Parts: sequence; C-alpha cells; structure tokens
Amino acid sequence: AQSVSQHNHHVILSEAASLELGCNYSYGGTVNLFWYVQYPGQHLQLLLKYFSGDPLVKGIKGFEAEFIKSKFSFNLRKPSVQWSDTAEYFCAVTDSSASKIIFGSGTRLSIRP
Amino acid sequence: DAGVIQSPRHEVTEMGQEVTLRCKPISGHNSLFWYRQTMMRGLELLIYFNNNVPIDDSGMPEDRFSAKMPNASFSTLKIQPSEPRDSAVYFCASRPQQVDTQYFGPGTRLTVL
Repeated sequence: AQSVSQHNHHVILSEAASLELGCNYSYGGTVNLFWYVQYPGQHLQLLLKYFSGDPLVKGIKGFEAEFIKSKFSFNLRKPSVQWSDTAEYFCAVTDSSASKIIFGSGTRLSIRP
Repeated sequence: DAGVIQSPRHEVTEMGQEVTLRCKPISGHNSLFWYRQTMMRGLELLIYFNNNVPIDDSGMPEDRFSAKMPNASFSTLKIQPSEPRDSAVYFCASRPQQVDTQYFGPGTRLTVL
C-alpha cells in the first residue's frame, strides 16, 4: 500500500534561515507528488506538484522541491524563510491511476521573527 | 471562480444530535473528497466520489457517518448520532477529471459537546 512519511513533525527556524522538509513515499510505480500548505486557520492550498519531466519543481512563494526517484523522496526547500511561512506543510502522493491522494502526517513550521 | 464552498463554517451541537455538512464543488470537477482533520490523527480521507458515485468509503469511521452526492454540484456528509470524538475540521475537496490537483474548501469546524 502507498504511504507517505514526513519525519519532521515540528520545525522551528529563524527568519532568513534555509528550509528543507523531508518527504518519503513508498510505491513502486509511477507517482505524482504534491506539497500542500495550510496557513493557520485556513484550508490546504497547493504549493507545487510533480507529474513528470524536470525533477526540480518550482512552486509559489519561492518554494521548490526535488524528486529523487532512487531515494523515493520529494523534499521541500526554500533558501530563506519568512515569518509568513509559518504554516503546516503536507506532502502527498497519488499513483498513475490518480484515484485517491495519500497525505503525509504534516510538518508544522514555526518561524521566529 | 468561487472555489469549493462548504457550509456551515462552524457548527456546535450536542451529543446525540444529527449533523449535516454541505459541500459545493467547483463547477466542472468530477471528483469530490471528504476529509477530517484533528490534532491527534492529522488529515484523514473519509470518502471520495467520482462522477457522483462513491468509489472508496473505507475511511468512514463507522455507520454513524454517511455521505451522499445526489448531483454533480452538491454533496453532504451526515453524522447521526454525533459524539464528542467527532469534533474536528471537515474539509471537502474537488478535482477535475484526469487532473490530479485537489482544491480544498474552507472547512467546517464541528464541535460536539
């Protein structure tokens, strides 16, 4: 069965620090990968997605993620975080049939001003 | 585009009462998903529909929960009778057919006293 692991449950950074949130999935076939963000009190919004092609995907607000097939990973990065990046970040995966999406448990990011 | 619409945004009810949550997906989207989010369990998929037909309801906690999608523009999630452990934020999401990105509604925050 598909699964998504986000090992960092809570990350605390200072403004301007670099960010990398880990995401690993378990599935042997072709996958589509996503990062969603949930700002405090709001709903989930798509940050970026990978379907095929260039494994380095750029999303909104300066975020990017790299798909490394050999490591079954899709880590989220941002070179310099801002206080407004405080949110919960969810990694998700679907298989090629695109039936349902499996979400990771989420990583809460807190930014110290 | 109005996005996914959910109502009510907040619901407070007493244990044993029936609760009905409503969702209007984005026009033209053929898949609809109901999720529950709690601190303890994170984001859980309850059920999803494709072309108004329930495809996977394995995430529905128990028989007290039921979901319907009578037409392409409306879905309900009903809890009868409600219990305090049902307190959570319930999200509805829709997705265009053949495209994987899900678009989430603002959620309904349910409190069962």
